[in-house]
Amino acid sequence: AQSVTQLDSHVSVSEGTPVLLRCNYSSSYSPSLFWYVQHPNKGLQLLLKYTSAATLVKGINGFEAEFKKSETSFHLTKPSAHMSDAAEYFCVVSVTGTASKLTFGTGTRLQVTL
Amino acid sequence: SAVISQKPSRDICQRGTSLTIQCQVDSQVTMMFWYRQQPGQSLTLIATANQGSEATYESGFVIDKFPISRPNLTFSTLTVSNMSPEDSSIYLCSVGYGGDYEQYFGPGTRLTVT
Repeated sequence: AQSVTQLDSHVSVSEGTPVLLRCNYSSSYSPSLFWYVQHPNKGLQLLLKYTSAATLVKGINGFEAEFKKSETSFHLTKPSAHMSDAAEYFCVVSVTGTASKLTFGTGTRLQVTL
Repeated sequence: SAVISQKPSRDICQRGTSLTIQCQVDSQVTMMFWYRQQPGQSLTLIATANQGSEATYESGFVIDKFPISRPNLTFSTLTVSNMSPEDSSIYLCSVGYGGDYEQYFGPGTRLTVT
C-alpha cells in the first residue's frame, strides 16, 4: 500500500521569506511523487513531479522539491514566497508500474502575509 | 497537457434526485478518473473510467450510487444517484498519460444537496 503524510495542515509565511511544505511517503515499490496546488475555487494544477530521474526536481513558479529515499521525504520549497502562492498544496504518490492510481495527502494550506 | 472541461460547474440539487456530470477532453486519452473532494478535505478516487468496459470502483464506492459511462476516448460522465446532503462535494475528473503517471484535472463540479 502507498500513502503520503503532509506534516503541516497550515503554514503561514511572510512575503519574501522561504517556504517549506513537508511531505513523507510510504510505498512498497519505487514511487512517483507529485505536488499539486489548488487555488481557491480553482482546479488542481501540477507543480512538479519526481519519477526516478534527478532527485532535485524543479517545478513551475519557482518551486522545487527534493526526493530523499533514506528519509522517505519529498518536501516542497520555494526561496521567496509571493502573495499569489497562497493556496492549498497536495503531496501525491503513485506507484510506478501500476495504472496511475494516485493517493493524495490531506493537504497543506499556505498563507502568505505582508 | 490536455484541456479538460466539466459541466455543470456547480449545481444545487434536492435530496433523492440524481445529477449527471460531464467531462470532455480535447484529445484522446486512455485513462480517465473521477474524484470526490468533500468540504475541507483531500481528494478521494471514486473510480477509473475504462473505455469500452465497466468502470473500476474504489473501496467504498459502488456502481449503483455512482454509475459511470465512457463511450469514447474523449468523454465520460459520472452520475450521483439518489443524492443526500452527504454527497455535497466537488467532483473532479482527471486524465492520465502513460509513463510518468501524472494526471491533469478538470475544473471540478461543485455540488450542493439540500
